[in-house]
Amino acid sequence: TQLLEQSPQFLSIQEGENLTVYCNSSSVFSSLQWYRQEPGEGPVLLVTVVTGGEVKKLKRLTFQFGDARKDSSLHITAAQPGDTGLYLCAGRRGGNLIFGKGTKLSVKP
Amino acid sequence: EPEVTQTPSHQVTQMGQEVILRCVPISNHLYFYWYRQILGQKVEFLVSFYNNEISEKSEIFDDQFSVERPDGSNFTLKIRSTKLEDSAMYFCASRGYGGELFFGEGSRLTVL
Repeated sequence: TQLLEQSPQFLSIQEGENLTVYCNSSSVFSSLQWYRQEPGEGPVLLVTVVTGGEVKKLKRLTFQFGDARKDSSLHITAAQPGDTGLYLCAGRRGGNLIFGKGTKLSVKP
Repeated sequence: EPEVTQTPSHQVTQMGQEVILRCVPISNHLYFYWYRQILGQKVEFLVSFYNNEISEKSEIFDDQFSVERPDGSNFTLKIRSTKLEDSAMYFCASRGYGGELFFGEGSRLTVL
């Protein structure tokens, strides 16, 4: 079974702080995706990383795919209350996506 | 912007009853999915559907579940005889050409 472990499970920080969340697996994935989910809504895609070592930036969010394509990280700079949500990583297995449990981020003003 | 729509947004049913959840995927997408998320737990894959047939299913997707694309737009998930543990958010998704999944807002199923 290919499991995606996300850490930390919960994170509560003050507005303006930086943070990093992690997604780790013992298996290699052809690509990893990061989604953000707000309560009562479906996950919304943030980014897809495909190449080992790849770094993608989306405004204040920086995503990195590990060299071995087994892990990924999401770094948020100067977090804002609007960043609050559940951040999910998902690895592609064949035609399907397997999700981690997510990191629940709360940014307090 | 095209989106995946799901109905109903919330359904309450008695144990043993049949439930049909409906989805309208993005019109030019070819792959469709159902996922579920039990409260506080992770998003779990149920089934994928391509070319009018199931392409893959998980062990959760047992004989009580079925999917159908009865016409060119709707994609349905049927649970024949609901159990308490079927209570969850059910998300439909369709897959874009870049491989990304576009999720609907979900249908919350509550089994009493």
